[in-house]
Amino acid sequence: SQQGEEDPQALSIQEGENATMNCSYKTSINNLQWYRQNSGRGLVHLILIRSNEREKHSGRLRVTLDTSKKSSSLLITASRAADTASYFCATDEGHDMRFGAGTRLTVKP
Amino acid sequence: DTAVSQTPKYLVTQMGNDKSIKCEQNLGHDTMYWYKQDSKKFLKIMFSYNNKELIINETVPNRFSPKSPDKAHLNLHINSLELGDSAVYFCASSLRGQGGPGANVLTFGAGSRLTVL
Repeated sequence: SQQGEEDPQALSIQEGENATMNCSYKTSINNLQWYRQNSGRGLVHLILIRSNEREKHSGRLRVTLDTSKKSSSLLITASRAADTASYFCATDEGHDMRFGAGTRLTVKP
Repeated sequence: DTAVSQTPKYLVTQMGNDKSIKCEQNLGHDTMYWYKQDSKKFLKIMFSYNNKELIINETVPNRFSPKSPDKAHLNLHINSLELGDSAVYFCASSLRGQGGPGANVLTFGAGSRLTVL
């Protein structure tokens, strides 16, 4: 069954703006991860945040996790046209990695 | 060097046929997966194998049969193909603990687009 659900489904911004995507999930998790998928390609791992962490940074990426609300957000700062892709959250429940339908981000030059 | 490779990349076939998709990883990972991505981009896990043993078998029709001859390979065979099987199938692999203690970070193949006519 689907676990992570991303919001919004699609997001269109101008280059230089920040992009925020949200993810909600239903069950207890070990960690939550964000992946990126360029059109016609496989998913690529971006960042992992553990269940006992609240915030994590990697370059222009900032991820937050609120286990009480079962939600996470991914912030991409100073977006670039090359950031155009679909972004998926995935919940790690042990042997099982569950993904949602993703947020389609379009960054206009 | 391609870390997770799937073949074929594209597959067009008629309803009722049987087809296979192959997957190989050269990362030394111990767990391999098959995911199905539908036209709405929703990614659904189908199977997971750890050290050649099936550990996840989601509710998929028994027309789908995974085969893992060794830890580096996980093939997907589909019998009696139906229109609804049209999708992109992704193979992935992971090594438990690679992303940190207890963490499971997946490496995906490029996908195999199956079109059933």
